[in-house]
Parts: sequence; structure tokens; C-alpha cells
Amino acid sequence: AQKVTQAQTEISVVEKEDVTLDCVYETRDTTYYLFWYKQPPSGELVFLIRRNSFDEQNEISGRYSWNFQKSTSSFNFTITASQVVDSAVYFCALSEAPRAAGNKLTFGGGTRVLVKP
Amino acid sequence: ETGVTQTPRHLVMGMTNKKSLKCEQHLGHNAMYWYKQSAKKPLELMFVYSLEERVENNSVPSRFSPECPNSSHLFLHLHTLQPEDSALYLCASSQDKGQGIGRTGELFFGEGSRLTVL
Repeated sequence: AQKVTQAQTEISVVEKEDVTLDCVYETRDTTYYLFWYKQPPSGELVFLIRRNSFDEQNEISGRYSWNFQKSTSSFNFTITASQVVDSAVYFCALSEAPRAAGNKLTFGGGTRVLVKP
Repeated sequence: ETGVTQTPRHLVMGMTNKKSLKCEQHLGHNAMYWYKQSAKKPLELMFVYSLEERVENNSVPSRFSPECPNSSHLFLHLHTLQPEDSALYLCASSQDKGQGIGRTGELFFGEGSRLTVL
């Protein structure tokens, strides 16, 4: 069975501080995908990034960066120089290998980030 | 127009009512999903439709009945719900390319329908 754990339930920072969100996953699949989604107060989950299990390169997109460590089954997310608009709940998710129809994602419990001005 | 549209955004119903949630995707995707988001619980997958066929029913009670008349529309019919069914119901879509590493996997979500059962 797959499992995603986000140990931090809530993080509060002051604007311009960096914040790192932890994600640890469990899977028996050798091929899988990892995702991060952002859920602002409007409710919609916004896709941020996808990483497949073969690609351990870290990625940077603007103020966002991701650190994939297969050896520790972690896929951490850092927001650099946080802004108030970054306040949201962030979800890490895991997708099984593409053996069946439909892309079934297993989500972590989410981390609420509050950025204060 | 957003990629995935859900209506209504808010719904209050009694336990004896029958109502439906509607989802429409404008992304040309061929797979659609219902997720349930309750307070203090992880997102729970309820149903998956791929090419208009149900491929997953994640032990969901029969008081929830999905319907997928075509690849752009997905419904969740509700009847005799319980107060614990109060939650945010999220619809999503994706492009399911079938088996093989070519599938990319990201889901695109709507803003959800917040359901309150009295």
C-alpha cells in the first residue's frame, strides 16, 4: 500500500523567510510519480510539480524548489523569500506506476502555511 | 473559463434529500475523479472514470452514486446522506494515456462543492 506523510500540520513564518515542507512517502513500486499541490482558500488544488521516480534531479521554479531524495523516500518543497500570497495548504501526493487506467493519487495530510506580513 | 468547473459551490441538504453535484472539464481529458476532503483527514479518492468507464470505486457507500455520461461531465448523485458526509467534494480530470511510462499523471482540480448535511 502507498502512504504519504507530511509531518508538519502547520507552519507560520514572517514574510521573506524561507519555509521548507517535508514529505516522506512509502511505496513498493519501482516506478512512481510524486506531486505537490497548493490549495488556496478558494478550495481548488493547484498543480505545482511532478517528479518521476527515475529523475532525482532537484528542480527550481522561481521561488519554489524541490529536493527529491530517493534514498530517504523524501520529496521536500522549499519556498524562498515567502510572500503573503503563499499562504495556503500544500499537499504532497504519490501516484502508482501506470499499470491501470486512471491516475490514482495518494495524498498526504497537508501542511498549512501561514505567511504573516 | 476555468479548466474544471464544479456546481454548486455550496450545498446544504437534509438527510432525506436527493441532490447532485456536477463537474465539467474543458481540458479535453479522458479521465475524471471524485475526491472527498473532510476536516482533519487526508484527501480520499472516491471514484475514477477512464474513457467513461468506472475503473475505481474506493469502498464508497451506496448513498453516493457517480455518473459519467461523457468524457467532459461527471456527476455525484447524493441520497439519504449522513451528517458525517459533510465535506468538500473535489472533482478532477487528467489525460490518461493508458499503460506505459508516457502517462504524466497530474490531475487538474475544480474548486470543489462544499456539502453540509443537516
